[in-house]
Amino acid sequence: GIQVEQSPPDLILQEGANSTLRCNFSDSVNNLQWFHQNPWGQLINLFYIPSGTKQNGRLSATTVATERYSLLYISSSQTTDSGVYFCAVSRSSGAGSYQLTFGKGTKLSVIP
Amino acid sequence: DVKVTQSSRYLVKRTGEKVFLECVQDMDHENMFWYRQDPGLGLRLIYFSYDVKMKEKGDIPEGYSVSREKKERFSLILESASTNQTSMYLCASSSTPATNEQYFGPGTRLTVT
Repeated sequence: GIQVEQSPPDLILQEGANSTLRCNFSDSVNNLQWFHQNPWGQLINLFYIPSGTKQNGRLSATTVATERYSLLYISSSQTTDSGVYFCAVSRSSGAGSYQLTFGKGTKLSVIP
Repeated sequence: DVKVTQSSRYLVKRTGEKVFLECVQDMDHENMFWYRQDPGLGLRLIYFSYDVKMKEKGDIPEGYSVSREKKERFSLILESASTNQTSMYLCASSSTPATNEQYFGPGTRLTVT
């Protein structure tokens, strides 16, 4: 199946700092999503970004599909940004094309 | 906004009980999914459904069954709960396989004692 690797696994930031999270994937995808899992366990959709660049406030994401990676940028981090960030992908076609495969996540801790 | 709701946030059941987890989405989505999340193992797909009364096994279907009688509702059934089914269960829905952008419910933390 498709492999998804996220880095770094853990990240500690001072409030106000910027960060970049990376997601590498092993095959062609028709879907790439970034999620933030809040302390209560809910997965919050951040971006649907199989290719290109998107921005939403202090967050932005870029996916380079031809090179099979995506980046999530967090600027001016706040304590409420703490949590686990997941990248998830699904294949373009064939068996398992419905299925989202998740990376192991990046655990972000923003300290005041 | 897409809304996916799950019947319980927290649930405690005894070994051997039959357990129903319910999920409802309000966006007329074709596809619905059940995942479980465990420390060290990440999120794993249990079952999904791409249409009413249609279902497909995911990576870890053993010990589970599902029901989709109406488009908006997808139920996960633990026929005889066991302690190794203690987990966080997450339901999701998506509109079409072409994009497969999935939206998740708040999750149910199930403890089987």
